[in-house]
Amino acid sequence: DADVTQTPRNRITKTGKRIMLECSQTKGHDRMYWYRQDPGLGLRLIYYSFDVKDINKGEISDGYSVSRQAQAKFSLSLESAIPNQTALYFCATRGDSYEQYFGPGTRLTVT
Amino acid sequence: RKEVEQDPGPFNVPEGATVAFNCTYSNSASQSFFWYRQDCRKEPKLLMSVYSSGNEDGRFTAQLNRASQYISLLIRDSKLSDSATYLCVVDNYGQNFVFGPGTRLSVLP
Repeated sequence: DADVTQTPRNRITKTGKRIMLECSQTKGHDRMYWYRQDPGLGLRLIYYSFDVKDINKGEISDGYSVSRQAQAKFSLSLESAIPNQTALYFCATRGDSYEQYFGPGTRLTVT
Repeated sequence: RKEVEQDPGPFNVPEGATVAFNCTYSNSASQSFFWYRQDCRKEPKLLMSVYSSGNEDGRFTAQLNRASQYISLLIRDSKLSDSATYLCVVDNYGQNFVFGPGTRLSVLP
């Protein structure tokens, strides 16, 4: 089984809808991250969390919110989706080393 | 100026070729540097860390020049399986990471 899982893997939604992307990990890592990837722009950090009580904004947090329900779970919400939030979203974890472990990604399309 | 910039690519090279990718970063306080590999529509995976003295892992060699704020990745004897996008990654004051836009490599038979 994968160490970092994301649900859903693909989602099409309409402008204005609320949507939640979920991330779970079995690696026992405290640090978790949410990124979005757009063609030509690389991965950009949305939010990160160093433990359940620690949430930090990343480079592009506007329009997004997160919830760290437990050490193993970190959810990303779009309160009112807009078309320019169409992207590939990745969750990642990190333990004591610098290596980040990524989930398989969620492809989100907002029409 | 972007925090991490990379060769725009794509690079199309024949099997067996040697190819080098370049990366520059703007934050002089950065301490940790990495190369990640991302296959098409897949998640990024760590290829190798980059150490000050340079390091090698099989056919892959990474170099760091702190004075010029420059990182490189050299791939020797390219294989078809090396085809991917290579991401340069730099730490941001030890809190999180900044990813470059990536350089796509296609190794041709």
